[in-house]
Order: sequence, then structure tokens, then C-alpha cells
Amino acid sequence: EPEVTQTPSHQVTQMGQEVILRCVPISNHLYFYWYRQILGQKVEFLVSFYNNEISEKSEIFDDQFSVERPDGSNFTLKIRSTKLEDSAMYFCASSEQGAEGYTFGSGTRLTVV
Amino acid sequence: GENVEQHPSTLSVQEGDSAVIKCTYSDSASNYFPWYKQELGKRPQLIIDIRSNVGEKKDQRIAVTLNKTAKHFSLHITETQPEDSAVYFCAAGRGANNLFFGTGTRLTVIP
Repeated sequence: EPEVTQTPSHQVTQMGQEVILRCVPISNHLYFYWYRQILGQKVEFLVSFYNNEISEKSEIFDDQFSVERPDGSNFTLKIRSTKLEDSAMYFCASSEQGAEGYTFGSGTRLTVV
Repeated sequence: GENVEQHPSTLSVQEGDSAVIKCTYSDSASNYFPWYKQELGKRPQLIIDIRSNVGEKKDQRIAVTLNKTAKHFSLHITETQPEDSAVYFCAAGRGANNLFFGTGTRLTVIP
């Protein structure tokens, strides 16, 4: 069964440093998403990406965040200057049809110290 | 935007009993309602979903009901087993848009 792949599985970074989280969506999917989940809390929407541009973003996704699809396979989330409160599990997801049929990746646990 | 509320936040049941988790949503345009199971430290996994043109859907021990008028939907798990223990999230979405998740229910099935 096709999978969404995320790397790294765990990243520890100093506050103020830049991090890039990487995702390889399922190859025939057209919609890509980043969500985050602070420990013990709900899954929160960050950004959706379709047709090589951001289609929607939440208030969490401020100027410190950016997304890119640098080639035909990778989908990255960059946090420019990490804060302690950015510590969370970050999930990438992709789908063929938007909201229906999401496949989540296994997540990257980001710890900002 | 959409607001999804989920109750209860924790639920403990004896093995073999049924478990019911309820969600409400605010956006009448939402037309897709999935349920995800998340085990500790793992990704959310889709277990069942329902579209707004259907009132009920069943898959073995799991069923979901939808009341569009009242804007609420529920997950029913019958004959619960210890391996059903996890956090369950409901979500609402539509078309090409993103999903909005509920706050989760931690289900514990006591052997």
C-alpha cells in the first residue's frame, strides 16, 4: 500500500534555528497538507498546497513558516526561526481528492530546546 | 471557519461493551466526516468515513451515524476489545478543502 514518507522522524533544534521537515507524498496525489499536533492535543491544520501553490493556511502558519515543492516528489515545511512553542509532532498528508482520502505520514517529532 | 467539538474527552468501557463518541460541527457546507484512530506516537489512521448523502455506515464492529439537520455525527464501536484502546478523532471537511479535527477521545477498553 502506498505511503506518505516523512523525514526525519525526530529532530531536536535550538531555539532560533531554522528547520526543514521533509515529506514525500503518494505519487498520484494532488493535494498536500501539513498538520501539527502538540503533545496530548488535537491535530491542527497548518497549510494546504495544490497546483504548486498554497490553497489555504491557518492562523498558525505565520511568516515564520513556508512550504515548498522543490521537485516532483518532495514537499517541505520550513520554520525559519523556531520557538519553544513550535515543539510538536508535524504530520504531512496527501490525497487525490482534497478532504476525502487523506493519507498521513508517520510524523516528525520536533523538539525545540 | 469550521469548528468541530468532540465528547467525551475520555471514555473507559469494559471489554465487550459498546463505546459511543459524539461530534458536532458548525459549517453546514461540510459534507465529509472521517474518523481516525491514533495509537500512542503514531499517525492518525482512517477507520471509517461518511458522506453527507448517507445517514449511517457500518463496517464490522464500527458504525458511524450522521444527522445533517442537527450537525452531529457519532462513532459506535460494538464488542470492544483491548486493541480498540487508542485516541479517536472525528473530523469534518468538504471538497478540496482541509479537514478540521475534533479534540479527541481517549478510549480505554478494560479487559
